Amino acid sequence: EPEVTQTPSHQVTQMGQEVILRCVPISNHLYFYWYRQILGQKVEFLVSFYNNEISEKSEIFDDQFSVERPDGSNFTLKIRSTKLEDSAMYFCASRKGGWNTEAFFGQGTRLTVV
Amino acid sequence: AQRVTQPEKLLSVFKGAPVELKCNYSYSGSPELFWYVQYSRQRLQLLLRHISRESIKGFTADLNKGETSFHLKKPFAQEEDSAMYYCALRARGAGETSGSRLTFGEGTQLTVNP
Repeated sequence: EPEVTQTPSHQVTQMGQEVILRCVPISNHLYFYWYRQILGQKVEFLVSFYNNEISEKSEIFDDQFSVERPDGSNFTLKIRSTKLEDSAMYFCASRKGGWNTEAFFGQGTRLTVV
Repeated sequence: AQRVTQPEKLLSVFKGAPVELKCNYSYSGSPELFWYVQYSRQRLQLLLRHISRESIKGFTADLNKGETSFHLKKPFAQEEDSAMYYCALRARGAGETSGSRLTFGEGTQLTVNP
């Protein structure tokens, strides 16, 4: 069964550094998402992406964040100048078109900012 | 605004006992409700959604619009049901490119004891 794949599984970075989290969505899916989960807290929506542009973003997704689909298969989340509070589990998800379709999640990337 | 509340962070039952994981939501429009499950060290995966009205792994959930609830139930819990369960809401009818985000509850860690 096709899966959403995320790399790396764990990333440690120094505060102030830039990180890129990578995701390979399921190949025939059209909608792509990033969510994050800070330890002990709920899963929070960051951004959705459709037709090569951001379709919706949350208040968390400020200028520090950006997303890109550079080559038609990868879907990346870039965090510029990371802060300690960016430490979290980041989940990528993808979905086919249509309202009655579910979002499939990747296994997550644990980002630790030190 | 969309909000999902799962009042129990932890729930522990014995094998064979009935289990109910509570979920309440707040949303002014017409919602789609989902239950996602996360087994230890695995990805979030869809368990069931209210539109399908199906039973998966013995679990059922009924959308009660009067009480704004979507409680997850199983008459006889099994040890393999031990996992983290998340209730999630998606706006329905807001259009394909907007409103497709999932809003998650805090999650309930279910432990089924032998």
